[in-house]
Amino acid sequence: DTAVSQTPKYLVTQMGNDKSIKCEQNLGHDTMYWYKQDSKKFLKIMFSYNNKELIINETVPNRFSPKSPDKAHLNLHINSLELGDSAVYFCASSQATGWNTIYFGEGSWLTVV
Amino acid sequence: GQQVMQIPQYQHVQEGEDFTTYCNSSTTLSNIQWYKQRPGGHPVFLIQLVKSGEVKKQKRLTFQFGEAKKNSSLHITATQTTDVGTYFCAGLNDMRFGAGTRLTVKP
Repeated sequence: DTAVSQTPKYLVTQMGNDKSIKCEQNLGHDTMYWYKQDSKKFLKIMFSYNNKELIINETVPNRFSPKSPDKAHLNLHINSLELGDSAVYFCASSQATGWNTIYFGEGSWLTVV
Repeated sequence: GQQVMQIPQYQHVQEGEDFTTYCNSSTTLSNIQWYKQRPGGHPVFLIQLVKSGEVKKQKRLTFQFGEAKKNSSLHITATQTTDVGTYFCAGLNDMRFGAGTRLTVKP
């Protein structure tokens, strides 16, 4: 069983569209994250939720809106997609914040054309 | 937030050569973790260092945490093609990762 699973794995869409990426973890962790990895491999944190509460919200355009219906799920909705949004988006989770190992999903490859 | 700098950005070695990547922070870190991401894959946890001056080994990999807890290194002895990937350090005060070192190994 995959510990952190995210869908879709690949997504090609046109500029201006709205899309969502879903994430679920079955590890019983309290904290979930969204990271963005660009073509240069920089791994940048976007959001972090702890028990459904937003705790980290980096400087991300407000076109990106995370939603955590429960602590096992953290979805990412993106409005009005732009070319620069093309990247790999990783969902991740950890038992808690701070010192705990981060477990990553397999990534969602988003291409905006 | 803290800045975690990682060098070099790229390293290309011949199989059998050693490899080292360095991670430096502008502030003292409570702990540091290292991750490996294979090409096309996702980051996978390797190890966590907590104590000042700590050294840990995993087979051919040696991890060090500086005395001042502001720097860390990962050294691979006698690289193999299976070592190919990007190695990230992460100072987990605020979940930020270094820029990563991309290692390629020529057989």
